[in-house]
Amino acid sequence: QKEVEQNSGPLSVPEGAIASLNCTYSDRGSQSFFWYRQYSGKSPELIMSIYSNGDKEDGRFTAQLNKASQYVSLLIRDSQPSDSATYLCAVNIGSGNTGKLIFGQGTTLQVKP
Amino acid sequence: GAVVSQHPSRVICKSGTSVKIECRSLDFQATTMFWYRQFPKQSLMLMATSNEGSKATYEQGVEKDKFLINHASLTLSTLTVTSAHPEDSSFYICSASLFTGFYGYTFGSGTRLTVV
Repeated sequence: QKEVEQNSGPLSVPEGAIASLNCTYSDRGSQSFFWYRQYSGKSPELIMSIYSNGDKEDGRFTAQLNKASQYVSLLIRDSQPSDSATYLCAVNIGSGNTGKLIFGQGTTLQVKP
Repeated sequence: GAVVSQHPSRVICKSGTSVKIECRSLDFQATTMFWYRQFPKQSLMLMATSNEGSKATYEQGVEKDKFLINHASLTLSTLTVTSAHPEDSSFYICSASLFTGFYGYTFGSGTRLTVV
């Protein structure tokens, strides 16, 4: 079982719709979770971080965390063509925050005008 | 915000030569930096954790004699790909964090290595 799993997609949504990206992780001791966006040929950029169960909203983005189910998701409201990118879920693996950030394989999002 | 500078952004080298990639934290001190490798259409794979003043910790399957990591100061870590071969061609990315674990990790802009 991979430590961090995502559906590689592509996930295609029309402009203005809600895009829902999902991620599961294997280490129950993990305490911090991140969503990164990566455009082709570029390095990842941080979109959201979440540490507690529940929802965290920032503009059009909402991260959701459920530690019992070992599940973290990202919702993008009012999707724009500029949101088209690969979204990487990253988890700090291990208790006590060892600092190792492990990535899922990424979900490619396509927002069609 | 935290800025990580990485260079070169692109390098082409001949097979058998060595290439050094630098990663600098510009406005903060990073006791720990991380090196990732990303092949086309794949995710970031952690290669090693670089700790200032001590030996790097390599992930399973990563050859420490081939990928030399030096973290001599709190703002600079280097990755040297020794005796590079075409299969080492990849996108290498470093990252650093002000406080490991609870804060997002800032990434360098990446280095596209092509070995011919």
